[in-house]
Amino acid sequence: QVQLKESGPGLVQPSQTLSLTCTVSGFSLTSYNVHWVRQPPGKGLEWMGVIWSGGNTDYNSALKPRLSISRDSSKSQVFLTMNSLQTEDTGIYYCNRNNYGGYVDYWGQGVMVTVSS
Amino acid sequence: DIQLTQSPPSLSASLGDKVTITCQTSQDIDEYIAWYQQKPGKAPRQLIRYTSTLVSGSPSRFSGSGSGRDYSFSISNVESEDIASYYCLQYATLSWTFGGGTKLELK
Repeated sequence: QVQLKESGPGLVQPSQTLSLTCTVSGFSLTSYNVHWVRQPPGKGLEWMGVIWSGGNTDYNSALKPRLSISRDSSKSQVFLTMNSLQTEDTGIYYCNRNNYGGYVDYWGQGVMVTVSS
Repeated sequence: DIQLTQSPPSLSASLGDKVTITCQTSQDIDEYIAWYQQKPGKAPRQLIRYTSTLVSGSPSRFSGSGSGRDYSFSISNVESEDIASYYCLQYATLSWTFGGGTKLELK
């Protein structure tokens, strides 16, 4: 069945780089788009970026200078890398599957990232 | 990026009420808007896409409407399981955007 699971370090120091992995199963990354969404504690959702099925990427313009999304289709993994982390980057990070158009049908459980020294 | 202004930020309703949440976009999005529900500690769940298309499994008491820059989401006959936060999301451009969210509470 379709599954997505985020993984990565729970704690990152300020100014360091965050690396997260979204490992998927039950579908091919060359057939579906994968988005990243984050949520600071007690706050709303923020769309971060996407890697389209064809391999192109698009980003939230506010995050674009320090955000990169890539994938290894053979390993069914999508990677998020964000540098120059600050405390306001603390939150839950989710990946999800975009089937077609605006249809998002599966989400990962999310991974909590805390930025603190 | 397109900006979404969602209101109200919070909403108090009694069971059986009808509630409406609005989302205004900074430019015409040609009805490319979706609505999500999120319960505490859970990932969001899509309820509606393309303004008014109910996603499979979404209860029929949920509905959406709108055009241009103005959109709304309604719940008729609020049930206890509807207590959650709701978000609009535009996908008219390659860079998507969420609204600020609405927290629905029981009166």
